Amino acid sequence: SQQGEEDPQALSIQEGENATMNCSYKTSINNLQWYRQNSGRGLVHLILIRSNEREKHSGRLRVTLDTSKKSSSLLITASRAADTASYFCATDDDRGSTLGRLYFGRGTQLTVWP
Amino acid sequence: NAGVTQTPKFQVLKTGQSMTLQCAQDMNHEYMSWYRQDPGMGLRLIHYSVGAGITDQGEVPNGYNVSRSTTEDFPLRLLSAAPSQTSVYFCASSYQQGLDTEAFFGQGTRLTVV
Repeated sequence: SQQGEEDPQALSIQEGENATMNCSYKTSINNLQWYRQNSGRGLVHLILIRSNEREKHSGRLRVTLDTSKKSSSLLITASRAADTASYFCATDDDRGSTLGRLYFGRGTQLTVWP
Repeated sequence: NAGVTQTPKFQVLKTGQSMTLQCAQDMNHEYMSWYRQDPGMGLRLIHYSVGAGITDQGEVPNGYNVSRSTTEDFPLRLLSAAPSQTSVYFCASSYQQGLDTEAFFGQGTRLTVV
């Protein structure tokens, strides 16, 4: 399985603090994505980083990718209570024969206290 | 656009019963997938499709069947429900643009098998 693994499993912080989540994966990829899931809802795409990129920003999100270590991190700056959710990394497969398949990790549950 | 629509939202089955989880998307996406989400396990791919008439197995296909007769619809059939199939099921559709892909998820179907 190419399933990613997020770390930590749970993270609890105060509003205004930064939240950092990490993801490790097993094989070569074309890109890595982060998704967010609010309780009882489906997943929503946050950001995609390609294998030839090292860092990407989107609003308060910063994603890094280190393909040599097969790892990525998601930083949420100035967290808000509304950021409380589960965050998942997802990877594709660079073999080409499995287009459309995404492999998800187990997720990090982020709780932001007001 | 409605995006990805899953029905029903909740379902209780008795062991041995069969049912079909419906999934429809209106974004003309080529790829569609079914995942199950269990506590502590993240999302695991059940079946996926890269286009009408083409389906393939994911990580956990046993006990499930799929078909893709149109681009829009991708139903998931449970032939003989078992308690181990109690889970939350998510349907997703995705597009491929070059090497980039992004998945759009339905709201989920919470299935309980008693």
